[in-house]
Formats: sequence, C-alpha cells, structure tokens
Amino acid sequence: GAGVSQSPSNKVTEKGKDVELRCDPISGHTALYWYRQSLGQGLEFLIYFQGNSAPDKSGLPSDRFSAERTGGSVSTLTIQRTQQEDSAVYLCASSPSGGAGGTDTQYFGPGTRLTVL
Amino acid sequence: AQSVTQPDIHITVSEGASLELRCNYSYGATPYLFWYVQSPGQGLQLLLKYFSGDTLVQGIKGFEAEFKRSQSSFNLRKPSVHWSDAAEYFCAVGPYNQGGKLIFGQGTELSVKP
Repeated sequence: GAGVSQSPSNKVTEKGKDVELRCDPISGHTALYWYRQSLGQGLEFLIYFQGNSAPDKSGLPSDRFSAERTGGSVSTLTIQRTQQEDSAVYLCASSPSGGAGGTDTQYFGPGTRLTVL
Repeated sequence: AQSVTQPDIHITVSEGASLELRCNYSYGATPYLFWYVQSPGQGLQLLLKYFSGDTLVQGIKGFEAEFKRSQSSFNLRKPSVHWSDAAEYFCAVGPYNQGGKLIFGQGTELSVKP
C-alpha cells in the first residue's frame, strides 16, 4: 500500500515568508509525528499527534512553528516568518497507534527540503 | 534528560567485512531502542527494535543488535557487509510513556569499499 507522502519535496523561500508543509500519513494510522533533520542539530522531534488527544508540542523550537492535523489524517506544519536557521529537511512519520510507550514502528516519509534564502 | 550518542560520525569498511556501529543512551529506565537506516535520497527505514526480553535482536537485511544494560549500549552488528549497506544509520530512544516520540543520535555514515 501507499506509504507516507509529503509535499512539496523541495521548497525555497525568502526569509520572513510563511511556509506550509504537508504530510499524508498511511491510511488508518492514528499517530503522526514531525521531525526536523539539519546539519547542525541532527534529527529532532518537533510534534506528535495521537488520535483526538492534544498534541505533544514539546519539540517545537519557537512559536513561529505550528502544526495541525485535520480529520485525524493529513497534517500541515506551518512556519511563520521563516529564518535561515529553519533550513532543514522536515520529516513526517506515522504509526498505527503510537503504542503504550511508543512501541509501534514509525514509517517515515521522504521529507521536504526547506531552503530559506 | 534522555540522550543518544553515536560516537562514530563516519566508518569505512571493506565489502565482506564485519560491522559494528556503536550506540550509547542515557535514560533513567530501560528505554525502547531502535535502529533506523537512511539511504541516499530515501526516507528512514526501521532495521530493528528492542523493548524487552532477549537482549539480542534480529532485524532486516541481516542486521542484529545487542542491548547491554550495564553499558547503556545498543550496538548494531552485521557479519558481512554488502556494498548496498552504504547509508547513514541512526540509533534512537523512545522514552516510555511519551507516546512514541523518538530521540535520535547524530548518526553514523557508513561507506563500503569494494
């Protein structure tokens, strides 16, 4: 079946502009995660959605970052007033349930490469 | 705070040689442990995971990992490396009861010499 898809695959924007990154999880997966992969910071957790529960936003680096998940499926990560340090690959993952303590396998999408000029 | 350390940024091995990638974690209890692989231009793929029980875990592509509580380690091994194993490898910790978010190490890039 289809895996996790993300769009766009590449995004170039100017400093100060807002961007939206989209993630389509695997159908039926209730848990959805966003991570950021950058040269200086490696792979960092950003935010986690599980069903109808309040999201875990503990990894968002600033209030310029927000995410929503509509209808328990598609998710959008929004970065407002982008800065050059936001340049990174943004990865989305989904898992069947999140699991008690996180035992589920997370399936990752190919990522969106964001470049802020 | 939980953390994961992969001491080797880059490793080069000859095709057919054995491989061991190191991973050390810092966590107050037994964490859930994972190894992921990222091939060039590809997404992350799970190789194996450990939750409890037998401390030697078998994964895909002929990889295995051993959990050693006394050393806070979860090293990845393969007896004979293939050229297609060239990729970046990430060790990760899943803190208990935090819904599955993963804390990743910095990654080890593996090159394979013919």
